[in-house]
Amino acid sequence: AQTVTQSQPEMSVQEAETVTLSCTYDTSESDYYLFWYKQPPSRQMILVIRQEAYKQQNATENRFSVNFQKAAKSFSLKISDSQLGDAAMYFCACSGSARQLTFGSGTQLTVLP
Amino acid sequence: DTAVSQTPKYLVTQMGNDKSIKCEQNLGHDTMYWYKQDSKKFLKIMFSYNNKELIINETVPNRFSPKSPDKAHLNLHINSLELGDSAVYFCASSQTTDSYEQYFGPGTRLTVT
Repeated sequence: AQTVTQSQPEMSVQEAETVTLSCTYDTSESDYYLFWYKQPPSRQMILVIRQEAYKQQNATENRFSVNFQKAAKSFSLKISDSQLGDAAMYFCACSGSARQLTFGSGTQLTVLP
Repeated sequence: DTAVSQTPKYLVTQMGNDKSIKCEQNLGHDTMYWYKQDSKKFLKIMFSYNNKELIINETVPNRFSPKSPDKAHLNLHINSLELGDSAVYFCASSQTTDSYEQYFGPGTRLTVT
């Protein structure tokens, strides 16, 4: 079983600035994956970035990068050069051998023009 | 091309009715899922279904029953609908042998009156 905690219900960032969303998790499994999903007002769940637990290198996807601290069970998302279209609810999630995603409670990101 | 589709997108019905939500994926994936997102945006797994095995989450009432006519479809049937069933239901799919990545449908907003 896994648990995922997002301690920031809401965050805001100025357009073009950088913001970091926090996530901690707990799992008893040695093989697992971590994800950040974005849910805009359209409610579509969009995969932003994924990280394999066995990889030490932090994943990067264009303006999105993660800081994966395995020992601390921390998985934060950094959004650089924030754009208005980045405004959404962001969910951190963990998936283990059962392939079922366990989600955090989400962080609502507002991008200020 | 729609990868994971759900119908209907909106469903309004009265307490006590029976309803179904349909899900189809054209990705050739082996595993499909149903998630429930409540009014506080919290997402929770309900079922995962491989073409060989159904995994039922113990917290899901037996009024909910997934039905899979083939590998590309996983429908959700709900009997005797209750007010608390109002939520957004997401279908998702993944390739069992892949990186645990799941692709989500657009969601179905169910409102029980």
